[in-house]
Amino acid sequence: DAGVIQSPRHEVTEMGQEVTLRCKPISGHDYLFWYRQTMMRGLELLIYFNNNVPIDDSGMPEDRFSAKMPNASFSTLKIQPSEPRDSAVYFCASTHRTGGFNEQFFGPGTRLTVL
Amino acid sequence: AQSVTQLDSQVPVFEEAPVELRCNYSSSVSVYLFWYVQYPNQGLQLLLKYLSGSTLVKGINGFEAEFNKSQTSFHLRKPSVHISDTAEYFCAVSLNTGGFKTIFGAGTRLFVKA
Repeated sequence: DAGVIQSPRHEVTEMGQEVTLRCKPISGHDYLFWYRQTMMRGLELLIYFNNNVPIDDSGMPEDRFSAKMPNASFSTLKIQPSEPRDSAVYFCASTHRTGGFNEQFFGPGTRLTVL
Repeated sequence: AQSVTQLDSQVPVFEEAPVELRCNYSSSVSVYLFWYVQYPNQGLQLLLKYLSGSTLVKGINGFEAEFNKSQTSFHLRKPSVHISDTAEYFCAVSLNTGGFKTIFGAGTRLFVKA
């Protein structure tokens, strides 16, 4: 298996532009998570999905952030408009529940820089 | 609500020396406990996990952790570190009553010196 795939790996954009981050979870996994990592705030859970349905989006910073999961193999995190304080590494992770709790498998991350 | 405190932001240690990375958690209900490792420019990967049973948990790369319920701690240890263990280590907790929300600690940067 290829693991969790994220694209792009690096994104540099200017303030006010729309940014879309993409994630392909591991096949067969039914939970998908979006995290943001910064030096100041560490690793924060933004939102997670179960069977393509958003379960908890309480970590989404504000209305400029939105996430979708149109099918089991694809999710997007969109920021519109982007601001310099959104600069961070964004991780996608997936997992599945088989007989108990399972570890989360993380993608390599997307490093976002908003100028 | 659950919380995780990693007591050291950075731990420098010489190669082949033992190391302990400390983690305390707070929760009013039973939790699952995890340690993840993040190498530079990579995502997190699981080192070990405690779900139930034996309080001493062994993980990959020679790491182990001990769950102490009375002290609400889950410290990570390795008897002899290698240069390749240089990375950031995250302690995490999740409720064992369903749902998959996981709370991560702030991370401890382990720096192994030759």
